[in-house]
Amino acid sequence: EDQVTQSPEALRLQEGESSSLNCSYTVSGLRGLFWYRQDPGKGPEFLFTLYSAGEEKEKERLKATLTKKESFLHITAPKPEDSATYLCAVQLNRDDKIIFGKGTRLHILP
Amino acid sequence: DTEVTQTPKHLVMGMTNKKSLKCEQHMGHRAMYWYKQKAKKPPELMFVYSYEKLSINESVPSRFSPECPNSSLLNLHLHALQPEDSALYLCASSQSTGLRIVQYFGPGTRLTVT
Repeated sequence: EDQVTQSPEALRLQEGESSSLNCSYTVSGLRGLFWYRQDPGKGPEFLFTLYSAGEEKEKERLKATLTKKESFLHITAPKPEDSATYLCAVQLNRDDKIIFGKGTRLHILP
Repeated sequence: DTEVTQTPKHLVMGMTNKKSLKCEQHMGHRAMYWYKQKAKKPPELMFVYSYEKLSINESVPSRFSPECPNSSLLNLHLHALQPEDSALYLCASSQSTGLRIVQYFGPGTRLTVT
Protein backbone atom coordinates (compact mmCIF):
# COMPACT_ATOMS: atom_id res chain seq x y z
CA GLU A 1 0.00 0.00 0.00
CA ASP A 2 1.29 3.46 -0.92
CA GLN A 3 2.04 5.42 2.23
CA VAL A 4 3.57 8.72 3.35
CA THR A 5 4.62 9.21 6.99
CA GLN A 6 5.82 12.47 8.50
CA SER A 7 7.67 12.92 11.77
CA PRO A 8 7.57 14.43 14.26
CA GLU A 9 3.87 15.33 14.49
CA ALA A 10 4.78 18.56 16.24
CA LEU A 11 8.03 20.40 16.92
CA ARG A 12 8.78 23.40 19.11
CA LEU A 13 12.07 25.21 18.56
CA GLN A 14 13.67 28.34 19.88
CA GLU A 15 14.34 31.06 17.33
CA GLY A 16 17.65 30.29 15.65
CA GLU A 17 17.60 26.59 16.60
CA SER A 18 18.03 24.59 13.38
CA SER A 19 16.32 21.23 12.88
CA SER A 20 14.93 18.81 10.31
CA LEU A 21 11.51 17.41 9.48
CA ASN A 22 11.21 13.91 8.05
CA CYS A 23 8.97 12.46 5.35
CA SER A 24 9.30 8.74 4.65
CA TYR A 25 7.44 7.12 1.79
CA THR A 26 6.60 3.64 0.58
CA VAL A 27 5.22 3.89 -2.93
CA SER A 28 5.36 2.02 -6.19
CA GLY A 29 6.87 4.38 -8.72
CA LEU A 30 7.59 7.89 -7.44
CA ARG A 31 6.97 10.68 -9.94
CA GLY A 32 7.65 13.55 -7.57
CA LEU A 33 7.69 14.50 -3.87
CA PHE A 34 6.21 17.82 -2.80
CA TRP A 35 6.73 19.99 0.26
CA TYR A 36 4.10 22.56 1.24
CA ARG A 37 3.72 25.11 4.02
CA GLN A 38 0.22 25.69 5.41
CA ASP A 39 -0.88 28.46 7.75
CA PRO A 40 -4.11 27.98 9.77
CA GLY A 41 -7.26 28.43 7.69
CA LYS A 42 -5.34 28.91 4.42
CA GLY A 43 -4.50 26.77 1.44
CA PRO A 44 -1.14 24.98 1.30
CA GLU A 45 1.67 27.02 -0.22
CA PHE A 46 3.87 25.13 -2.70
CA LEU A 47 7.55 25.05 -1.68
CA PHE A 48 9.43 22.39 -3.65
CA THR A 49 9.15 19.36 -5.90
CA LEU A 50 11.93 16.75 -5.72
CA TYR A 51 12.21 14.03 -8.34
CA SER A 52 15.19 11.76 -7.77
CA ALA A 53 17.48 10.57 -4.99
CA GLY A 54 20.29 12.99 -4.26
CA GLU A 55 18.36 16.05 -5.34
CA GLU A 56 18.38 19.16 -3.14
CA LYS A 57 16.42 22.42 -3.33
CA GLU A 58 16.64 25.58 -1.25
CA LYS A 59 14.41 28.53 -0.48
CA GLU A 60 15.45 31.09 2.09
CA ARG A 61 15.96 29.17 5.37
CA LEU A 62 14.54 25.92 3.96
CA LYS A 63 16.43 23.12 2.25
CA ALA A 64 14.79 19.93 1.02
CA THR A 65 16.65 16.71 0.25
CA LEU A 66 15.54 13.37 -1.17
CA THR A 67 16.73 9.79 -0.81
CA LYS A 68 15.15 6.61 -2.19
CA LYS A 69 12.99 6.19 0.92
CA GLU A 70 12.66 9.60 2.56
CA SER A 71 12.92 13.34 2.31
CA PHE A 72 14.13 15.87 4.83
CA LEU A 73 13.16 19.50 5.20
CA HIS A 74 16.00 21.29 6.96
CA ILE A 75 15.22 24.60 8.63
CA THR A 76 18.25 26.75 9.35
CA ALA A 77 18.11 29.46 12.02
CA PRO A 78 14.30 29.60 11.98
CA LYS A 79 12.29 32.69 12.82
CA PRO A 80 8.83 32.90 14.45
CA GLU A 81 7.29 33.57 11.04
CA ASP A 82 8.38 30.06 9.97
CA SER A 83 5.76 28.65 12.34
CA ALA A 84 3.27 26.65 10.27
CA THR A 85 2.29 23.11 9.35
CA TYR A 86 4.64 21.56 6.80
CA LEU A 87 3.06 18.95 4.53
CA CYS A 88 4.81 16.33 2.43
CA ALA A 89 3.05 14.66 -0.51
CA VAL A 90 3.95 12.25 -3.31
CA GLN A 91 2.68 11.82 -6.83
CA LEU A 92 2.95 8.41 -8.40
CA ASN A 93 3.83 7.47 -11.97
CA ARG A 94 0.51 5.76 -12.60
CA ASP A 95 -1.97 8.65 -12.28
CA ASP A 96 -2.61 12.21 -11.06
CA LYS A 97 -3.35 11.17 -7.48
CA ILE A 98 -1.29 12.96 -4.81
CA ILE A 99 -0.92 11.29 -1.41
CA PHE A 100 -0.34 13.52 1.63
CA GLY A 101 1.37 12.82 4.90
CA LYS A 102 -0.28 14.04 8.10
CA GLY A 103 2.05 17.02 8.41
CA THR A 104 4.41 18.42 11.03
CA ARG A 105 3.21 21.38 13.10
CA LEU A 106 6.23 23.61 13.65
CA HIS A 107 6.24 26.31 16.32
CA ILE A 108 9.19 28.70 16.61
CA LEU A 109 9.43 30.50 19.92
CA PRO A 110 10.87 34.04 19.96
CA ASP B 1 1.04 34.07 -12.15
CA THR B 2 0.60 31.03 -9.90
CA GLU B 3 -2.85 31.87 -8.62
CA VAL B 4 -5.78 29.60 -8.04
CA THR B 5 -8.89 31.50 -6.98
CA GLN B 6 -11.87 30.14 -5.08
CA THR B 7 -15.28 31.61 -4.33
CA PRO B 8 -16.89 32.11 -1.95
CA LYS B 9 -14.39 32.38 0.92
CA HIS B 10 -17.03 31.39 3.45
CA LEU B 11 -20.35 29.58 3.03
CA VAL B 12 -23.01 28.69 5.56
CA MET B 13 -25.77 26.42 4.32
CA GLY B 14 -28.61 24.38 5.72
CA MET B 15 -28.98 20.68 5.12
CA THR B 16 -31.70 21.22 2.50
CA ASN B 17 -29.87 23.91 0.52
CA LYS B 18 -28.15 23.61 -2.84
CA LYS B 19 -24.98 25.63 -3.32
CA SER B 20 -21.86 25.60 -5.51
CA LEU B 21 -18.18 26.23 -4.93
CA LYS B 22 -16.13 27.70 -7.74
CA CYS B 23 -12.46 27.45 -8.63
CA GLU B 24 -10.50 29.12 -11.42
CA GLN B 25 -6.93 29.00 -12.71
CA HIS B 26 -5.32 30.62 -15.73
CA MET B 27 -1.99 28.82 -15.72
CA GLY B 28 -2.99 26.33 -18.43
CA HIS B 29 -2.77 23.45 -15.98
CA ARG B 30 -4.36 20.25 -17.30
CA ALA B 31 -5.29 18.69 -13.94
CA MET B 32 -7.60 20.17 -11.31
CA TYR B 33 -8.43 18.80 -7.88
CA TRP B 34 -10.96 19.10 -5.07
CA TYR B 35 -9.79 18.35 -1.54
CA LYS B 36 -11.60 18.41 1.81
CA GLN B 37 -9.64 19.38 4.91
CA LYS B 38 -10.72 19.07 8.53
CA ALA B 39 -8.95 20.92 11.33
CA LYS B 40 -5.43 19.60 12.07
CA LYS B 41 -5.73 16.97 9.34
CA PRO B 42 -4.06 16.82 5.91
CA PRO B 43 -6.03 17.54 2.73
CA GLU B 44 -8.19 14.57 1.74
CA LEU B 45 -8.54 14.01 -2.01
CA MET B 46 -12.10 14.02 -3.37
CA PHE B 47 -11.93 14.37 -7.18
CA VAL B 48 -9.39 14.84 -9.96
CA TYR B 49 -10.10 16.16 -13.45
CA SER B 50 -7.56 15.64 -16.19
CA TYR B 51 -8.10 17.44 -19.50
CA GLU B 52 -11.63 18.32 -18.34
CA LYS B 53 -12.57 14.69 -17.73
CA LEU B 54 -13.14 13.14 -14.31
CA SER B 55 -10.21 10.79 -13.77
CA ILE B 56 -10.38 10.06 -10.03
CA ASN B 57 -13.36 9.91 -7.66
CA GLU B 58 -12.33 8.84 -4.18
CA SER B 59 -15.70 7.24 -3.39
CA VAL B 60 -17.20 10.60 -2.49
CA PRO B 61 -20.93 10.64 -1.54
CA SER B 62 -23.26 11.73 -4.34
CA ARG B 63 -24.29 14.83 -2.40
CA PHE B 64 -21.03 16.25 -3.78
CA SER B 65 -21.11 16.67 -7.56
CA PRO B 66 -18.09 18.01 -9.44
CA GLU B 67 -18.17 19.75 -12.79
CA CYS B 68 -15.44 21.01 -15.10
CA PRO B 69 -17.03 23.38 -17.66
CA ASN B 70 -13.70 24.20 -19.31
CA SER B 71 -9.96 23.91 -18.74
CA SER B 72 -9.86 26.92 -16.41
CA LEU B 73 -12.93 26.32 -14.25
CA LEU B 74 -13.92 23.72 -11.68
CA ASN B 75 -17.16 23.64 -9.72
CA LEU B 76 -18.33 21.57 -6.78
CA HIS B 77 -22.11 21.36 -6.45
CA LEU B 78 -23.44 20.69 -2.98
CA HIS B 79 -26.85 19.27 -2.08
CA ALA B 80 -28.36 17.81 1.09
CA LEU B 81 -25.12 18.05 3.04
CA GLN B 82 -24.65 16.85 6.59
CA PRO B 83 -23.08 18.80 9.50
CA GLU B 84 -20.03 16.50 9.31
CA ASP B 85 -19.37 17.89 5.83
CA SER B 86 -18.34 21.18 7.43
CA ALA B 87 -14.68 21.70 6.48
CA LEU B 88 -12.25 23.73 4.40
CA TYR B 89 -12.68 22.83 0.73
CA LEU B 90 -9.54 23.31 -1.30
CA CYS B 91 -9.10 23.46 -5.05
CA ALA B 92 -5.73 22.81 -6.67
CA SER B 93 -4.28 22.61 -10.15
CA SER B 94 -1.18 20.87 -11.38
CA GLN B 95 0.93 20.58 -14.46
CA SER B 96 3.61 18.12 -15.50
CA THR B 97 6.01 19.55 -18.06
CA GLY B 98 8.82 17.18 -18.89
CA LEU B 99 10.39 16.40 -15.54
CA ARG B 100 8.88 19.40 -13.76
CA ILE B 101 5.69 19.00 -11.71
CA VAL B 102 3.96 21.73 -9.75
CA GLN B 103 0.70 21.83 -7.81
CA TYR B 104 -0.81 25.07 -6.55
CA PHE B 105 -3.68 25.40 -4.12
CA GLY B 106 -6.35 28.03 -3.80
CA PRO B 107 -7.13 29.73 -0.47
CA GLY B 108 -10.10 27.46 0.17
CA THR B 109 -13.79 27.85 0.97
CA ARG B 110 -14.74 27.49 4.63
CA LEU B 111 -18.04 25.58 4.58
CA THR B 112 -20.35 25.33 7.58
CA VAL B 113 -23.42 23.09 7.36
CA THR B 114 -26.11 23.86 9.91
